[in-house]
Amino acid sequence: DSGVTQTPKHLITATGQRVTLRCSPRSGDLSVYWYQQSLDQGLQFLIQYYNGEERAKGNILERFSAQQFPDLHSELNLSSLELGDSALYFCASSVARTGPYGYTFGSGTRLTVV
Amino acid sequence: DQQVKQNSPSLSVQEGRISILNCDYTNSMFDYFLWYKKYPAEGPTFLISISSIKDKNEDGRFTVFLNKSAKHLSLHIVPSQPGDSAVYFCAATPYNTDKLIFGTGTRLQVFP
Repeated sequence: DSGVTQTPKHLITATGQRVTLRCSPRSGDLSVYWYQQSLDQGLQFLIQYYNGEERAKGNILERFSAQQFPDLHSELNLSSLELGDSALYFCASSVARTGPYGYTFGSGTRLTVV
Repeated sequence: DQQVKQNSPSLSVQEGRISILNCDYTNSMFDYFLWYKKYPAEGPTFLISISSIKDKNEDGRFTVFLNKSAKHLSLHIVPSQPGDSAVYFCAATPYNTDKLIFGTGTRLQVFP
């Protein structure tokens, strides 16, 4: 158990629908990161929140949004889902700056859009 | 624009031998380089890292080498064990950011 909790582990939904992925960071970590891993792809950075505020944005589609709540948990909202959104979505957390130790990842949410 | 590249999607090595996983990068403005290991149905876990000002870092059976002039890093695992079978991701942190840029991964299989 890495200490980063992601729910649900699996999600199957239809095209056009909206889903919410949830992440609880490791205790004490202020930064939350979201990554997407599609088939045969590396992990693509989506967005980072630090202590409730957006800090960095990557290749996140306009149909996707995220937020970090006062208790530091984060949610990633995916709307108007398309088949190509099927992927593993990872959340990670860190205390502050990334530095030499990187982040701690959760076990991911596997999203299947049918 | 793939700034971090792992050109070998897979590698098969006999137990006890050395495993060498390679990674190339295109951007000189990286602060740290990291290696992550991923088992199926789990998230990536941090393995070892190296600062951009160093050329070698060692931790037990794992050694990372950085060749800045060639923009190349490698992870050596000696001796390789069956439990090392996993997907290995190379990642890099640009200066003054917290994000990690990942390669596409190399699947290592260590056979008896």
